[in-house]
Amino acid sequence: NAGVTQTPKFQVLKTGQSMTLQCAQDMNHNSMYWYRQDPGMGLRLIYYSASEGTTDKGEVPNGYNVSRLNKREFSLRLESAAPSQTSVYFCASSEALRSWFFGPGTRLTVL
Amino acid sequence: AQTVTQSQPEMSVQEAETVTLSCTYDTSESNYYLFWYKQPPSRQMILVIRQEAYKQQNATENRFSVNFQKAAKSFSLKISDSQLGDTAMYFCAFIKGGAQKLVFGQGTRLTINP
Repeated sequence: NAGVTQTPKFQVLKTGQSMTLQCAQDMNHNSMYWYRQDPGMGLRLIYYSASEGTTDKGEVPNGYNVSRLNKREFSLRLESAAPSQTSVYFCASSEALRSWFFGPGTRLTVL
Repeated sequence: AQTVTQSQPEMSVQEAETVTLSCTYDTSESNYYLFWYKQPPSRQMILVIRQEAYKQQNATENRFSVNFQKAAKSFSLKISDSQLGDTAMYFCAFIKGGAQKLVFGQGTRLTINP
């Protein structure tokens, strides 16, 4: 039981490049989330998926797209990376909205 | 919109002391949940404690306890007999019942000194 896994752990991009962050959970949770963490601002919700086949915007969705590939996997795509997207990205999953499980995070730097 | 405020960006105490981290939140809901998460240097988010709003009794987990003041919308975390391993960022978080969005405070960086 690995919980929530994320790849990659670290990534450096140049402005304008694209990339996809991968997330998978093995707890059979319906809900999955993408957060970004910036100094002094806590974690802010980018997108979430309440169930397979559905996605919704969170607090800071601009510049990102998501795909809920199946119940296990939820990916986050940056189509044209910008320095403002330099951050640590966390994937999370939840069942019954009372227990949340977070992945180890991806540190992304955009030059 | 719900907001969560942690007014102490940084705190520092000596090992074995007791420390209290503050959190206030703003909501008009009556059904909600509150959490404290710990984030050590490894970046992993670790659930410390959870409180259901309908429960009057304050939650406790070993050395960790909360002071939940529903009318004041306050949810502080007390760490007793602090240990070096308690050094971490601590985040307060809120979710209203039936909602999908877990809302976080800005975090408090806690340092336990030997």
